[in-house]
Amino acid sequence: EVQLVQSGAEVKKPGESLKISCKGSGYSFTRYWIGWVRQMPGKGLEWMGIIYPGDSDTRYSPSFQGQVTISADKSISTAYLQWSSLKASDTAMYYCTRSYTAAPPPDYWGQGTLVTVSS
Amino acid sequence: SSELTQDPAVSVALGQTVRITCQGDSLRRYYASWYQQKPGQAPILVIYGQNNRPSGIPDRFSGSSSGNTASLTITGAQAEDETDYYCNSRDSSGIYWVFGGGTKLTVL
Repeated sequence: EVQLVQSGAEVKKPGESLKISCKGSGYSFTRYWIGWVRQMPGKGLEWMGIIYPGDSDTRYSPSFQGQVTISADKSISTAYLQWSSLKASDTAMYYCTRSYTAAPPPDYWGQGTLVTVSS
Repeated sequence: SSELTQDPAVSVALGQTVRITCQGDSLRRYYASWYQQKPGQAPILVIYGQNNRPSGIPDRFSGSSSGNTASLTITGAQAEDETDYYCNSRDSSGIYWVFGGGTKLTVL
């Protein structure tokens, strides 16, 4: 069974760093792209970027380029989304997704990680 | 701002047919996919490609496209279909993904 299991909810202060994870199982992790999608409270879905764990080819949405870092560790079938300095506006649910190519649609979604940034 | 435009809200009488639309220039070149998202849950894929349903998606869901508009049609809407729907495709460059702003479907 294909699963994307994300790390648990986080509560952080502005300026702090954070790395959340997405662990894939039930398939060949290196042969599918892992993407990240943001959903701010009460708002729609926003695509952040995507990585191919097989060779770490990474693409960012222009809206998120420079704001986050996407990475993957294929040895443990895990992808990451990282911030170096969080802002209150980063408060959102973050989903990881799996897709066979770099194009949509993703066929599996993680359960989501809620990140709350508040002083 | 999104390059894909959806009506914020649509309503349908129980058992009737409803069409949810998604407009964008990139849809002239790329197919849209459609997701259903219920409160507190991750989105699930309901339609992709020309008109394909993943396993487990009821056949009352169908997709179509014409020009710059993609449509999700629910034939015989059920109470459990009342939720948010998002379209998704590539942007005009073909490199990046974009989502529509979402449509809240109300089943009366």
